[in-house]
Amino acid sequence: EAQVTQNPRYLITVTGKKLTVTCSQNMNHEYMSWYRQDPGLGLRQIYYSMNVEVTDKGDVPEGYKVSRKEKRNFPLILESPSPNQTSLYFCASSGSGIGETQYFGPGTRLLVL
Amino acid sequence: GQSLEQPSEVTAVEGAIVQINCTYQTSGFYGLSWYQQHDGGAPTFLSYNALDGLEETGRFSSFLSRSDSYGYLLLQELQMKDSASYFCAVGRGSTLGRLYFGRGTQLTVWP
Repeated sequence: EAQVTQNPRYLITVTGKKLTVTCSQNMNHEYMSWYRQDPGLGLRQIYYSMNVEVTDKGDVPEGYKVSRKEKRNFPLILESPSPNQTSLYFCASSGSGIGETQYFGPGTRLLVL
Repeated sequence: GQSLEQPSEVTAVEGAIVQINCTYQTSGFYGLSWYQQHDGGAPTFLSYNALDGLEETGRFSSFLSRSDSYGYLLLQELQMKDSASYFCAVGRGSTLGRLYFGRGTQLTVWP
């Protein structure tokens, strides 16, 4: 089954404790992206990757890091989480960019205390 | 900067037709996408318009006018399951990677 998986689905952590949210896709997609969703603000792009070893900033990259060492994986790293990073996070992938069907993962709910 | 405007709420009855408008202001525009999201779920891709005109996919159609910086999503033969949030999003920049979302339109379909 073609899918995008994220782990963990739910996470409660404390300020400053480094965490990683994993994202994996099994569709051999070149393009992957991370978004955060906050009430009333829609989705905002954090980082995206056009291919392995190629990443670039979206609209809200501050406080986040990403890496793309393999085609299927695109982890999101919060080196020192803060309460304003409490949000719902989605990973997505598509064949080659945003002009194609973009498949979203189920989301990760993060609470930073 | 960039901006995307879409209505915050729309209501309609089953079987009706509804149009959700989206106006945008952005540099480096190259396409308009639409996504559907049910409460508690992940967004689902509906359509992408890079060129002016109407794209039809089943009960849903999407339209783009680049000269007017305007697009819309048309939903026909509405069903209860169409109750969801609908987001327009603009692709922009020098690559096919940047995507900027509107704040979403909450569609409620009444029986």
